[in-house]
Amino acid sequence: RKEVEQDPGPFNVPEGATVAFNCTYSNSASQSFFWYRQDCRKEPKLLMSVYSSGNEDGRFTAQLNRASQYISLLIRDSKLSDSATYLCVVVTGTASKLTFGTGTRLQVTL
Amino acid sequence: DVKVTQSSRYLVKRTGEKVFLECVQDMDHENMFWYRQDPGLGLRLIYFSYDVKMKEKGDIPEGYSVSREKKERFSLILESASTNQTSMYLCASSFRPWGDTQYFGPGTRLTVL
Repeated sequence: RKEVEQDPGPFNVPEGATVAFNCTYSNSASQSFFWYRQDCRKEPKLLMSVYSSGNEDGRFTAQLNRASQYISLLIRDSKLSDSATYLCVVVTGTASKLTFGTGTRLQVTL
Repeated sequence: DVKVTQSSRYLVKRTGEKVFLECVQDMDHENMFWYRQDPGLGLRLIYFSYDVKMKEKGDIPEGYSVSREKKERFSLILESASTNQTSMYLCASSFRPWGDTQYFGPGTRLTVL
């Protein structure tokens, strides 16, 4: 089993839709979680950290489910500009190893 | 704004050549990283450095070496380039080594013929 797994997509959604992605991780000792966004042919940029209590930033909500070992990203009222690949990142262990998922591609259409 | 720059956006080299990729950050970060990104494999850590002259192997260090002579600069060296090193190379820096925001450079698309 991969350490961090994401559905590659693409998720094709119309503008205004709500879309959610999950990211599963295999190590129950993982302690920090993040979502990064990567536009086509660009570098990844931090979108948001994922806290145990969940967190919200405008139209974006991130949640952590430790029991089932996954994190989620919910995007409400999708915009064309949300089209990108979303990477989940998991930090694990005493050496705090950082592992990137392979990303989920989102395409928002008119 | 943190700025991470990489020496080239595109590079074409021949098999067996020595290749230098340079990365510079302007935020006085102690921690710097080199990744490669390949379709279906995501970002994989090659090396990282948590201080000048310090380096640690990542997940895929074979065929690569690094140099950190100054705090702001982290170089990735391919001693003898091979075709399987054709990839997108991304440099990143962060204030803390892990569990902290990583700021990425724009990437270098390296093709080895």
